[in-house]
Amino acid sequence: RKEVEQDPGPFNVPEGATVAFNCTYSNSASQSFFWYRQDCRKEPKLLMSVYSSGNEDGRFTAQLNRASQYISLLIRDSKLSDSATYLCVVKKRNDYKLSFGAGTTVTVRA
Amino acid sequence: DADVTQTPRNRITKTGKRIMLECSQTKGHDRMYWYRQDPGLGLRLIYYSFDVKDINKGEISDGYSVSRQAQAKFSLSLESAIPNQTALYFCATSGFSGGPNTGELFFGEGSRLTVL
Repeated sequence: RKEVEQDPGPFNVPEGATVAFNCTYSNSASQSFFWYRQDCRKEPKLLMSVYSSGNEDGRFTAQLNRASQYISLLIRDSKLSDSATYLCVVKKRNDYKLSFGAGTTVTVRA
Repeated sequence: DADVTQTPRNRITKTGKRIMLECSQTKGHDRMYWYRQDPGLGLRLIYYSFDVKDINKGEISDGYSVSRQAQAKFSLSLESAIPNQTALYFCATSGFSGGPNTGELFFGEGSRLTVL
């Protein structure tokens, strides 16, 4: 079983729509959680951390459900520029290593 | 100019050839990493280095070697390339107070390697 699993999508949504997707992780010792964004053929970049209480950054909302071992990302009022692959990233306690999911692709259409 | 620079950006080579991918950074970070990315798989860690004298294997180090020539330079070598090493390779850096603790890695633009 993969350590971090994501629905690859693609999620095709019209501009202005809301899109949400989850990521599940297998190791209950996971402590820290992040979302990265990767544009086509580009390098990944940190989008946001995911805090236990949930957090927002503009149109992006991240949630953590430790009991069910998943995190989610919700994008409100989608823009064309939100089209990208979103990588779920997990870190275990006392471990240097980040574990990356394969990504969820979102395509926002005009 | 990019803070993390990788060369070459694209390379096509033949099975059995030696290949070196180079990475240099101007962020002043101590920690440097090499990842590979394959379709349908997450980024996988090949090697990492926390300073010039500290080099460690990641989860998929077989067939690869690295050299940390200076704080700012970290190169990845494929001694004898094989087709299943065809992938997109990323170098990344992180600072001591950030990096894995904050989840922030700074990636280069990637090196696309094709082994025929």
